[in-house]
Amino acid sequence: ILNVEQSPQSLHVQEGDSTNFTCSFPSSNFYALHWYRWETAKSPEALFVMTLNGDEKKKGRISATLNTKEGYSYLYIKGSQPEDSATYLCASGRLDSNYQLIWGAGTKLIIKP
Amino acid sequence: DADVTQTPRNRITKTGKRIMLECSQTKGHDRMYWYRQDPGLGLRLIYYSFDVKDINKGEISDGYSVSRQAQAKFSLSLESAIPNQTALYFCATSKTSGGIITGELFFGEGSRLTVL
Repeated sequence: ILNVEQSPQSLHVQEGDSTNFTCSFPSSNFYALHWYRWETAKSPEALFVMTLNGDEKKKGRISATLNTKEGYSYLYIKGSQPEDSATYLCASGRLDSNYQLIWGAGTKLIIKP
Repeated sequence: DADVTQTPRNRITKTGKRIMLECSQTKGHDRMYWYRQDPGLGLRLIYYSFDVKDINKGEISDGYSVSRQAQAKFSLSLESAIPNQTALYFCATSKTSGGIITGELFFGEGSRLTVL
């Protein structure tokens, strides 16, 4: 099983600043890319599911882009707020993966007030 | 109340003991999943089920078994727990109408298991 890599592993950002991080995935047989937000001691919650090259999705101050040809997705947070502190997980689904999503280890975002 | 509920939320047990983690959902979804999360690693799929009579092995099924007692309930068992099964376990569901790989997952809050 080919890996999904997320970078950076952790990130400290000043409140009000914007930030972004990366999910890299195998581009061959790509089918879908998921982003989830996971606050400690809570359930991971879906942010976006993207399938098409060039997809851009937005939810409030959070947006994501997808490049399936080169195998990466960016997650952007504009004007970070303390409630954005969480671990952001991405997962890639491949046509040959037997219905399994392959998950990255996450980017832990800490917003400093 | 949570749509996907896991019990217990925390459990400490000893090597060799049998452990069951239970998951129930009120979302009406047919598809249910058990994942394992270890520090520094991505979620790994243990088992998944697309309906009551359907059980499928995931990436790391050895040492685990599952039971889908009803549409709303999916249990994970460790027949003889060992220390390297210490982890955070997540149950998740997804809609039948969504694509199998494109369907958004709905997670429980996790069950933290420690095997001594």
